[in-house]
Order: sequence, then structure tokens, then C-alpha cells
Amino acid sequence: DQQVKQNSPSLSVQEGRISILNCDYTNSMFDYFLWYKKYPAEGPTFLISISSIKDKNEDGRFTVFLNKSAKHLSLHIVPSQPGDSAVYFCAVSEYGNKLVFGAGTILRVKS
Amino acid sequence: EADIYQTPRYLVIGTGKKITLECSQTMGHDKMYWYQQDPGMELHLIHYSYGVNSTEKGDLSSESTVSRIRTEHFPLTLESARPSHTSQYLCASSDGVNYGYTFGSGTRLTVV
Repeated sequence: DQQVKQNSPSLSVQEGRISILNCDYTNSMFDYFLWYKKYPAEGPTFLISISSIKDKNEDGRFTVFLNKSAKHLSLHIVPSQPGDSAVYFCAVSEYGNKLVFGAGTILRVKS
Repeated sequence: EADIYQTPRYLVIGTGKKITLECSQTMGHDKMYWYQQDPGMELHLIHYSYGVNSTEKGDLSSESTVSRIRTEHFPLTLESARPSHTSQYLCASSDGVNYGYTFGSGTRLTVV
């Protein structure tokens, strides 16, 4: 029973355009949400996070949106760059407990 | 510069062998974790520790064992490797204040 779902296994975007990665979760008690980026043969690296008291958090080209009523969060990358090509994992936490990860979305940014 | 180190990066080993995957961190974090990931799948938590001499099993059942004798060291051991253990193993740590984890580079294990 997956608590975190990333329904798009892969996404292909042209350089300079917007990339939108989506994540759905099932437990309304989750209160902290994170995005990680992973290159092949490396461990995930933290990208951006948002707590449940906010609906948007921005860091440079990366913005995370949280819709608690829909139990949905998304990551927007604008403009997308070829170096953004990686696997992106959504992760959620309840009161600082262990992170639960989605299956990841492979993003390919074409130049 | 990585503050959490995993060795080896890659390991190919025969069935029945005993192996230990090493994980060390220099950040003084109390909380450490082992995740297992297959391509295209979620990261599954297999073990975690909230401090020295404290270890717990994660959400995914695993035949591996862990120990936490020192804060900085959290090795994972497989007593008898099998092909079903072929996977990527990721170690992570956190300070318990910020929710994010710092991950190591992972060990890609192949059991033949």
C-alpha cells in the first residue's frame, strides 16, 4: 500500500521550458514534504522542502506547491536546464518521523 | 564534499558469502538510516537507529542486520548473500531537528 505516489515514471522537457513533477500522498497526518534529486550511481541530494503550514516555497528556479485538501504536491523547475536531468523523489514525514519516499520521476531536459 | 561515506561503491559477490556494507558520517548525527532501492522503485527503509546501541527494523523486511556501537558508524551485514539481495543500498543520517536526510553515495550490490 503506497503512501506516496509519483504517477509519472518519466518526463521529457525542452531546455528553457517549465518542468512540473507531481506527487500524491494518502495520509493527511503528513506535515513535512521534501523533494530529492538523484543522479545515477549517487545518493539522493536534498532539493527543497515545505511544511504543511505553507502552500508554496521558492528557491531560485525551484518552487514547491502544496495542496493539502487534495493531498498533492508539485515541483516546478523554471527554466529547465540539461543539468536538471535526474530522478526526482518526493518524500513525506509525519512529525519528524522517518521519511517515506515515492518511486521517483525521471526528468530528461533536452537541449 | 560528502559528510557521509559508504564503502564499497560497487560489490559483486557470490551466493552464500558474508558481506558488510560500511557507512560512516562525520556530522555527529544521532539518527541514521539504511534504505534499499531497486531501479524505478521507492526507497524502502530497512533499518534505522536513533543513537548508540539503538537499532530498529524498518518498513521493508530484510535479512540484513545492523549495529550502532559508535555514533558515526552504522554498518549493515548480510550473513549469507543471495541473488534476491541484489539492489542499491543507501545510508543516510539526520540531526533530528531538520527533517531532511543527508545520503551517502550508495553501494550497488550484485549477488551472483
